[in-house]
Order: sequence, then structure tokens, then C-alpha cells
Amino acid sequence: AQSVSQHNHHVILSEAASLELGCNYSYGGTVNLFWYVQYPGQHLQLLLKYFSGDPLVKGIKGFEAEFIKSKFSFNLRKPSVQWSDTAEYFCAVMQGGGADGLTFGKGTHLIIQP
Amino acid sequence: DTAVSQTPKYLVTQMGNDKSIKCEQNLGHDTMYWYKQDSKKFLKIMFSYNNKELIINETVPNRFSPKSPDKAHLNLHINSLELGDSAVYFCASSRKQGSTEAFFGQGTRLTVV
Repeated sequence: AQSVSQHNHHVILSEAASLELGCNYSYGGTVNLFWYVQYPGQHLQLLLKYFSGDPLVKGIKGFEAEFIKSKFSFNLRKPSVQWSDTAEYFCAVMQGGGADGLTFGKGTHLIIQP
Repeated sequence: DTAVSQTPKYLVTQMGNDKSIKCEQNLGHDTMYWYKQDSKKFLKIMFSYNNKELIINETVPNRFSPKSPDKAHLNLHINSLELGDSAVYFCASSRKQGSTEAFFGQGTRLTVV
């Protein structure tokens, strides 16, 4: 069974700092990769996704992620964070066929201090 | 226009009761899901339905029974509620099984007292 690891459970940054959240997965076959964000009291929203092609994908709100197949990683980055980026971030993986739905990491709670 | 809507948003109930959470999507998607988010924010899939047929049934107590009357609805019925059932339950849908993104509802916070 596939699994997803997010290395940091809590991250605290100041505004304008650069962000990188780590995500590694354990499945060796074809995967689709996602980052979701959950703002306080709100539902999950898709930040970005990778299915194929350019391994550097750009999402909403200035986020990007890079798929590195050899490292089984899909790290999320943002060059300069804002206070409004405070949220819970989830990495998720779906095997190519999608038969098992999404497998989520445990989430990273990001707090941006003004 | 909410794409995936769940009701109720909050549900507080006593142990032993039976309750249902409703989910509807107006996106014309074929596949719908139920996910459970525990107190540590960990999300795990519970069920997946594709065109009203059960595809995934993870290790979930049989007190949980999904019902899909049509492609646009996937309701979750829970019998004999236990304290450990307290969580946020998310409904989601995707255009088809697998290759597209999932759209999530706003979640239902269930508290069992």
C-alpha cells in the first residue's frame, strides 16, 4: 500500500520568508500528486497537481511544487509567504488507476507571523 | 453555487444514536468519496462510489453504511455512534475514478457525547 510522509507537522515563519514543505511517497508506479490547503474553518482546496509533463508545476496563490521521481518527492514551495497563507497543507497521492482514491499525508500546520 | 455540499455542517449527538450526513454534487461527476479527518487532522478515505457502485470500502466498521441513490448523491449513515466516531467527515467528487482532481465539500464536524 502506498503511503505519504510530510516531514514537518508544524512550521512557523515570518511574513516574506521562503517556504518549502516536504512530501515523500512510497509507491513505485505511476502516480498523480496533489497539494491541498485547508484554511481555518474551511474545506479542502486544491493548490496544485501533477499528472505528467513538466515536473515543476505552478498552482494558485504563488505556490509551486517540483516532482522529483528519483527521490519520490513532491515538495511545495513559495518564495515569499503572507500572513493569509496560515493554514493546514496536505500532500496527497493517487495511484495511476485511481482505484484506491487519494492517500493523504498527515498535514503540515503552517503559521505565518506578521 | 456550491459544487459539493454537505449537510449538516455540525452535528452533535449522544452515544448510541443513529445519524446521517448528506452529500450532493452538482458537477456531473461520476465518482464520489467519503473521507474522515481525525482530531490530529489526518485524512483517510472511507468509501468510494463510481456511478452508484461501491468501489472502495476501507477498513471501516460496518456501523458506517454509505448510500448512493443516484450519481449526484452519496449519503453516509452511521449506526450506534461511538465516542471515537467524533471527527470531521468530508465528501468529495471527481469527474471519473482516478485521473482527475477531487472537489471537496466543506466538511461535517461530528461530535459524539
